[in-house]
Amino acid sequence: QMQLVESGGGVVQPGGSLRLSCVASGFTFSTYGMHWVRQAPGKGLQWVAFIWYDGNKKYYADSVKGRFTISRDNSKNTLYLQMNSLRTEDTALYYCAKDLPRSGYYFDFWGQGTLVTVSS
Amino acid sequence: QSALTQPPSASGSPGQSVTISCTGTSSDVGGYNYVSWYQQHPGKAPKLVIYEVNKRPSGVPDRFSGSKSGNTASLTVSGLQAEDEADYYCSTYAGSDNVLFGGGTELTVL
Repeated sequence: QMQLVESGGGVVQPGGSLRLSCVASGFTFSTYGMHWVRQAPGKGLQWVAFIWYDGNKKYYADSVKGRFTISRDNSKNTLYLQMNSLRTEDTALYYCAKDLPRSGYYFDFWGQGTLVTVSS
Repeated sequence: QSALTQPPSASGSPGQSVTISCTGTSSDVGGYNYVSWYQQHPGKAPKLVIYEVNKRPSGVPDRFSGSKSGNTASLTVSGLQAEDEADYYCSTYAGSDNVLFGGGTELTVL
């Protein structure tokens, strides 16, 4: 069955960096766009970034543009999120999510998330 | 861009229907038929229940339905069941390669 497993979260100081990973299985990863979505503790969902199935196009929320980079390695069925210049407001549970075919704006299946805490 | 506006809470008795609204602008909800809805139980990942305004993914009961009028989208849950108690989030494409979520609505089954 379909699975998305995130990892790489942890505690980091403001200004620091982290790289999140999301390993996919149970579907043809290389044919689907993928998203990162975050949820601050006790708060709502916020879209972070999207990458086309082939990695050729990437889109970011204004709040992370210039600091975060989404990428993928289709040979490893893995999605990444490189997070630099982290701020306390980036503290959240980060989910990776699969998109519907030929979309770019739906979150069809979600992982369980990895927690990022930015604190001094 | 601001988040879409949802009521913080909604409630209904078992068997009843409840409708949750999601209000945006002509640049997001009103401008595209790309509204989706997500159900999130406590401590769990969200689950897609409606996409493209009114389409249900395979496996989602037909008790869940969606609609849109102008800048407001709606999710209706008919024949409420205890398992429907969860947080519900709307989302839409908002142009300029941007996606917005609503603030979420906590649905209580009385």
